[in-house]
Amino acid sequence: GQQVMQIPQYQHVQEGEDFTTYCNSSTTLSNIQWYKQRPGGHPVFLIQLVKSGEVKKQKRLTFQFGEAKKNSSLHITATQTTDVGTYFCAGGGSARQLTFGSGTQLTVLP
Amino acid sequence: NAGVTQTPKFQVLKTGQSMTLQCAQDMNHEYMSWYRQDPGMGLRLIHYSVGAGITDQGEVPNGYNVSRSTTEDFPLRLLSAAPSQTSVYFCASSGIRPWTGNTGELFFGEGSRLTVL
Repeated sequence: GQQVMQIPQYQHVQEGEDFTTYCNSSTTLSNIQWYKQRPGGHPVFLIQLVKSGEVKKQKRLTFQFGEAKKNSSLHITATQTTDVGTYFCAGGGSARQLTFGSGTQLTVLP
Repeated sequence: NAGVTQTPKFQVLKTGQSMTLQCAQDMNHEYMSWYRQDPGMGLRLIHYSVGAGITDQGEVPNGYNVSRSTTEDFPLRLLSAAPSQTSVYFCASSGIRPWTGNTGELFFGEGSRLTVL
């Protein structure tokens, strides 16, 4: 079945540093979504990418979808303490399912 | 709108007991799903439904049953609880028409933390 690998598993950064998490799929994806989960909370949708090579920005967050639609990345510029949480990618395949990556847990040190 | 509501928030079971996790949404979403979340393993799909009367298996369906008698409700049943089912369970729904092939934005409930002794 479809597998989505996400790295790194953990990332500690000083406030103000940049942060990037990467996702790779074993199969071509129809779309990829990104979610953020605060400690003790539930995943909250950030964005969906559909097109090959697509790049979207939300303030300090930049999302990319690879040309082959098998990989994606989330980059946060100048992290803030409010960015703390676990970031998940989720790949949509041919079936009506989303396969989640294992997540990257971000810690921002003040 | 309450969104997606899950009950109970916490539950402790003994091995072999059965129980039902309830999920209800008031957004008229056709797509509903159950995930379990374990440390270091992300969210794994258990079962999903694309409309009333229709259910299908996800990645880890064994030991769980679902039904979808109404658009609003999607209960998850544990038939005979095992310690391996200790986890946090999330229900999620989506408003995108499923026949587009793309699952849309998922709205998650707050989760149900289950411990099986």
